[in-house]
Amino acid sequence: AQTVTQSQPEMSVQEAETVTLSCTYDTSESNYYLFWYKQPPSRQMILVIRQEAYKQQNATENRFSVNFQKAAKSFSLKISDSQLGDTAMYFCAFVGFGNEKLTFGTGTRLTIIP
Amino acid sequence: GAVVSQHPSWVICKSGTSVKIECRSLDFQATTMFWYRQFPKQSLMLMATSNEGSKATYEQGVEKDKFLINHASLTLSTLTVTSAHPEDSSFYICSAHLVTQGGTEAFFGQGTRLTVV
Repeated sequence: AQTVTQSQPEMSVQEAETVTLSCTYDTSESNYYLFWYKQPPSRQMILVIRQEAYKQQNATENRFSVNFQKAAKSFSLKISDSQLGDTAMYFCAFVGFGNEKLTFGTGTRLTIIP
Repeated sequence: GAVVSQHPSWVICKSGTSVKIECRSLDFQATTMFWYRQFPKQSLMLMATSNEGSKATYEQGVEKDKFLINHASLTLSTLTVTSAHPEDSSFYICSAHLVTQGGTEAFFGQGTRLTVV
């Protein structure tokens, strides 16, 4: 069984600063996908970024980038130039290749301070 | 991206009545959909996997007779909370996955806030 661990229940940073959210996971699978989802106060789950495990290059999406360390089973999210709209719960998630069931971490509540 | 529509967004019902929540994939077909429950300030807890044309697969500890799931078409899954009680009050979210050449991606409905009074 897979597990996803987010060790930071809450974080807060000043607007325009950079923040890194941690995620570690445990799996015996070699092929899988990792995701970061954002859940703002509206509670709509929004995909922030996705990483395929077979790709060595770290995924980036504008201000969002990941540091994927496959050997260490670590998948951190870096948000650059943070904005007030980044305030949300962030969930790290895992799905095995060929599987469809997502395994979620417990989430990190991020607050951007004006 | 693909859209998953969930309805209603909120509902209040009396204890003992049943409530139906719909989850539709608007622009793609989904043979599998997922139903989650989310308690305040907690993560998503998978309740069941909805399979088109067959019985749903429930996670351990989820009462299949209380949470009835029907997936009658490739674009619609419904979750019915039967004989609802106040402890069933929660936020329910559905998702459907789209598999493309680039991989798999989950799309989520807007969620339904259920309040049982």
